[in-house]
Amino acid sequence: AQTVTQSQPEMSVQEAETVTLSCTYDTSENNYYLFWYKQPPSRQMILVIRQEAYKQQNATENRFSVNFQKAAKSFSLKISDSQLGDTAMYFCACSGAGSYQLTFGKGTKLSVIP
Amino acid sequence: DGGITQSPKYLFRKEGQNVTLSCEQNLNHDAMYWYRQDPGQGLRLIYYSQIVNDFQKGDIAEGYSVSREKKESFPLTVTSAQKNPTAFYLCASSSLQGYGYEQYFGPGTRLTVT
Repeated sequence: AQTVTQSQPEMSVQEAETVTLSCTYDTSENNYYLFWYKQPPSRQMILVIRQEAYKQQNATENRFSVNFQKAAKSFSLKISDSQLGDTAMYFCACSGAGSYQLTFGKGTKLSVIP
Repeated sequence: DGGITQSPKYLFRKEGQNVTLSCEQNLNHDAMYWYRQDPGQGLRLIYYSQIVNDFQKGDIAEGYSVSREKKESFPLTVTSAQKNPTAFYLCASSSLQGYGYEQYFGPGTRLTVT
């Protein structure tokens, strides 16, 4: 079983600036996967980035990158050069290897201010 | 285009009526899932299915039922036994191979029961 905690219910950032969203998790699995999903006002859930726990290198997807600290069980998302289209709810999620279930945090509402 | 469709986008029902939410995917995924989303609660798993004619309860299955007669389809019935059915419902699917069973989501159905 996993638990996922997002301690920042809401955040805001100026357009073109950088913002970091926090996520901590707990799991008893030896191998597991971590994800960040974005849910814009349309409410369509979109995968932003993923990280496999046994890979030490932090994942990067264009302006999105993660800071994965395995010992601290921390998985933060950094958004560089923030754009108005980044305004959304962001959910951190965890799944164990071989598990079909994703455990989600409660989300962080990010507003990008022009 | 491959993807997941959910219909209808908005659904209104009177209290005491059963209602069925549709979910169809053409991604050839084996696994399908139903989530409920409430404000401030993140996503909570209702049911999931790994194979046709088989499904398992998630964290909040009471008052819901599902069927999986075809690989492409996983309808969710919200029964009159569900005490608080008004919510946003998301369907997802995933392959059972590869990257941590990464889930892809449909656009969701907003159910309002009065």
